[in-house]
Amino acid sequence: KAGVTQTPRYLIKTRGQQVTLSCSPISGHRSVSWYQQTPGQGLQFLFEYFSETQRNKGNFPGRFSGRQFSNSRSEMNVSTLELGDSALYLCASSFSGTGATDTQYFGPGTRLTVL
Amino acid sequence: GIQVEQSPPDLILQEGANSTLRCNFSDSVNNLQWFHQNPWGQLINLFYIPSGTKQNGRLSATTVATERYSLLYISSSQTTDSGVYFCAGGGSNYKLTFGKGTLLTMNP
Repeated sequence: KAGVTQTPRYLIKTRGQQVTLSCSPISGHRSVSWYQQTPGQGLQFLFEYFSETQRNKGNFPGRFSGRQFSNSRSEMNVSTLELGDSALYLCASSFSGTGATDTQYFGPGTRLTVL
Repeated sequence: GIQVEQSPPDLILQEGANSTLRCNFSDSVNNLQWFHQNPWGQLINLFYIPSGTKQNGRLSATTVATERYSLLYISSSQTTDSGVYFCAGGGSNYKLTFGKGTLLTMNP
């Protein structure tokens, strides 16, 4: 069974631009979560989706948004990029999405650099 | 929210040595996972262990849920064990809270 895939793997943008990242969960998994990893803040939760519904959102500004499609694939969008948005963005999927009680499987991440 | 504290923050080992990494939680969790982050950034699942003990080769983990801590044991360390080890806990709010990690450096 294929793992979680994320595209693109690397991205360079300039301040003020917007970016869309994509995540395809493991087949059969319906919950998708997004995390941001930076050297200063570590791994921080962005949001979680299950059956196209956002069930929780982390403490990030409204510039960060996401959605999930009927096939469970998810996208996250960051508008008006700032230098501080440079980070590794990780996507995770799980089977049943009962709280966070299922094993979370992570993708390889998208490394975003904002210049 | 849940606070996760990992210790030690850094660890330097000789090949063949054993080590114990610890994770403390500020509150009860329904999900507890240990991960190894490889040099390319991917988080590799090591254990899903909200309670009890599990073993996988040279690695084992024990979680004492009533005392809100978990331990990861690495035996007979190898150079491939280098990297950052994270523990993360989750409750009923659909998210994992991560610790700051333990950076393991192997001396050949």
